[in-house]
Amino acid sequence: GQQLNQSPQSMFIQEGEDVSMNCTSSSIFNTWLWYKQDPGEGPVLLIALYKAGELTSNGRLTAQFGITRKDSFLNISASIPSDVGIYFCAGQPGNQFYFGTGTSLTVIP
Amino acid sequence: DTAVSQTPKYLVTQMGNDKSIKCEQNLGHDTMYWYKQDSKKFLKIMFSYNNKELIINETVPNRFSPKSPDKAHLNLHINSLELGDSAVYFCASSRTGRGQSQFFGPGTRLTVL
Repeated sequence: GQQLNQSPQSMFIQEGEDVSMNCTSSSIFNTWLWYKQDPGEGPVLLIALYKAGELTSNGRLTAQFGITRKDSFLNISASIPSDVGIYFCAGQPGNQFYFGTGTSLTVIP
Repeated sequence: DTAVSQTPKYLVTQMGNDKSIKCEQNLGHDTMYWYKQDSKKFLKIMFSYNNKELIINETVPNRFSPKSPDKAHLNLHINSLELGDSAVYFCASSRTGRGQSQFFGPGTRLTVL
């Protein structure tokens, strides 16, 4: 199955810093999703994007659906310790979902 | 109320055994999925069921057999467990069609000794 390329693979940042991560695919997607997974838990949906160019916020999180429809971006502003976790992008070219390789975020107080 | 639930949370068993993991969703979704997450945290889809019918079956050994008694349940049965089956297995559900978001269960950590 297809796998999305997500970068960076891991990030270590100071509390209060902003975070950016992105996801790219080789094919066009009509939906992009961003999930966060806490240790020992299942992924939880953060933001869903449905249109090319769409910019959507959820608190300190902002995600964008790339204009080419082959990429998406997630930004976290003013990070806090509870932002720690693994962030996954997911894309849907048709009815099937494909997941990115994950970005592990560590926030240093 | 839990939206997508899985049992058991942890499963430790010997090689060669047969085990089942159960999943239930109360969201009224008509599509359910099983994913495997390996030690590197890659999420790989195994199966997808829509209205109790299999619609996706990725390259998975036939020792793995999903069973959907109704739209709200998708169980995963694994025969002749192998060491490489050790992973976290996630159930998820969504509505059918484009632009639908998936909701995940808490996962089942399977350890094969």
